[in-house]
Amino acid sequence: ELKVEQNPLFLSMQEGKNYTIYCNYSTTSDRLYWYRQDPGKSLESLFVLLSNGAVKQEGRLMASLDTKARLSTLHITAAVHDLSATYFCAVSIRGTSGSRLTFGEGTQLTVNP
Amino acid sequence: EAQVTQNPRYLITVTGKKLTVTCSQNMNHEYMSWYRQDPGLGLRQIYYSMNVEVTDKGDVPEGYKVSRKEKRNFPLILESPSPNQTSLYFCASSLYQGAVSPLHFGNGTRLTVT
Repeated sequence: ELKVEQNPLFLSMQEGKNYTIYCNYSTTSDRLYWYRQDPGKSLESLFVLLSNGAVKQEGRLMASLDTKARLSTLHITAAVHDLSATYFCAVSIRGTSGSRLTFGEGTQLTVNP
Repeated sequence: EAQVTQNPRYLITVTGKKLTVTCSQNMNHEYMSWYRQDPGLGLRQIYYSMNVEVTDKGDVPEGYKVSRKEKRNFPLILESPSPNQTSLYFCASSLYQGAVSPLHFGNGTRLTVT
């Protein structure tokens, strides 16, 4: 059974600071996703990571993937209040009848002014 | 506008009364799936569908049914809802699961079973 664990689950940080969210998964996967969810809203796709060493950046967020360590990171640079949200990683594995997606528990990020 | 539409947004019902949550996408996506979101548990997959008439169980399928008679629609059926199915439900779709494309999510259905 695939397990996906995020760390930390809750993160409170000040504007301007840097921090990293970690996503560990327990079995070989062919892709990893990061999503953002604002309170009371749906999920929005941030990144799709396909291969070992993949790095993607969008604004103050940068995601990377190490398939050998089964680890993805979401790095936040110079945080701003607008980044306050819950961030989920999700790991895809292929089964006999198609791919299944397993989500981590989510990291609730609060950026304080 | 490309979107995944779920209805209703909010639903309060009683134990045992059959209900259906509808999901429709207008992007010609092959892959559709249902998730439930509970505090501290993230999102857990209930069922998914690779294409018309092709469905399979996710991690928590007990108490749920789905059907995929048309490409655009993927309803979630609770034949006899129970209080432990009180949750926030999301429908999602993507072009096809073998592709790079991420999931597009609906706005969610908050279900309360009393």
